[in-house]
Amino acid sequence: DVKVTQSSRYLVKRTGEKVFLECVQDMDHENMFWYRQDPGLGLRLIYFSYDVKMKEKGDIPEGYSVSREKKERFSLILESASTNQTSMYLCASKRGGDADSAFFGQGTRLTVV
Amino acid sequence: GQQLNQSPQSMFIQEGEDVSMNCTSSSIFNTWLWYKQDPGEGPVLLIALYKAGELTSNGRLTAQFGITRKDSFLNISASIPSDVGIYFCAGQTSGSRLTFGEGTQLTVNP
Repeated sequence: DVKVTQSSRYLVKRTGEKVFLECVQDMDHENMFWYRQDPGLGLRLIYFSYDVKMKEKGDIPEGYSVSREKKERFSLILESASTNQTSMYLCASKRGGDADSAFFGQGTRLTVV
Repeated sequence: GQQLNQSPQSMFIQEGEDVSMNCTSSSIFNTWLWYKQDPGEGPVLLIALYKAGELTSNGRLTAQFGITRKDSFLNISASIPSDVGIYFCAGQTSGSRLTFGEGTQLTVNP
């Protein structure tokens, strides 16, 4: 089975802190994604990566950056956390191509105070 | 970006009832996926649809990929309390990027 692991289930950070959310997948998937989930808004794509060192902006990239130095790891970085970044963050990975599905990690609930 | 309209937003049903939810889009998708999310967890894939017109079942779940490639539905038959959760549709075009619906919150009363 595919395993996508996010480093933390819950995080509490202060406004202005630099925050790293880590995601690791063990199935050699080319594509990895970061979403945030907010009530009534569904899942919104922040950034995705289709290969090592490659990244593309999603629908809401402002205030975030990403890093993919190794195929199995995709990091989401909040350069200076703000309270409006309090949310559930979900990482996903999938093989390249249309005929494969995305698999999600368990999520990180981030609270910025 | 592309948008998916998922309905209904929420459903309150009695155990044993059947459930139907759907997603529509103004864009064409190559793949439709349905996920379920339990509270505090990440979404889990239920059904994947890869061809227009495809009808696929997974136990009590049935989903169809619309002929126009712009819509999909999910049916749950004979609901049980553990069906409670948020159900998401997702559409994929070439390039692997997924677009998600807003979710349907399902509550099943015993």
